[in-house]
Amino acid sequence: AQSVTQLGSHVSVSEGALVLLRCNYSSSVPPYLFWYVQYPNQGLQLLLKYTSAATLVKGINGFEAEFKKSETSFHLTKPSAHMSDAAEYFCAVSSLNTDKLIFGTGTRLQVFP
Amino acid sequence: DGGITQSPKYLFRKEGQNVTLSCEQNLNHDAMYWYRQDPGQGLRLIYYSQIVNDFQKGDIAEGYSVSREKKESFPLTVTSAQKNPTAFYLCASTVVGDGYTFGSGTRLTVV
Repeated sequence: AQSVTQLGSHVSVSEGALVLLRCNYSSSVPPYLFWYVQYPNQGLQLLLKYTSAATLVKGINGFEAEFKKSETSFHLTKPSAHMSDAAEYFCAVSSLNTDKLIFGTGTRLQVFP
Repeated sequence: DGGITQSPKYLFRKEGQNVTLSCEQNLNHDAMYWYRQDPGQGLRLIYYSQIVNDFQKGDIAEGYSVSREKKESFPLTVTSAQKNPTAFYLCASTVVGDGYTFGSGTRLTVV
């Protein structure tokens, strides 16, 4: 069975500071991993995805994530936070043999001026 | 441009009333999903369909029904049996390995 754990339901950073949102997964088969962002009253938008190519994945809006098999992690980072990054972020996992995603419970990012 | 369209954006339901939320995609995706989102509870799967004329219950299917008569369309009916329907509803579609494409959501409120 697959599962995703997002550590920290709320993360607060100052504008210009490093953003680090944590995601650990469990999967018995090689995983596909995804990060989504959700702004208030909107659907989820794909930030980036890992599908067994390069372990460091670059996404939109300056975000990137690194797949670390030994740590079963796929943490999301951005070197310098912007006020517009304030949103909820979801990590998700699937695999080659299924199209269904398993989502984490989300992390709300607040950015302070 | 291809995408997934949910309508209406806001919907109000009276007690005892059935309402239907629309979800249409032109991405040629086989699989479609309905999720419910409540504050602080993430996404919960209601129903999903991986092929036309077939669908499966998710984790919280009670009080909901769906149909999949066309590849492009996957409407969700919130029935009077759903006692707490106020929530944000999200529809998504996908192909394997591609992740989901989401609609913009429907906010349902009981009045």
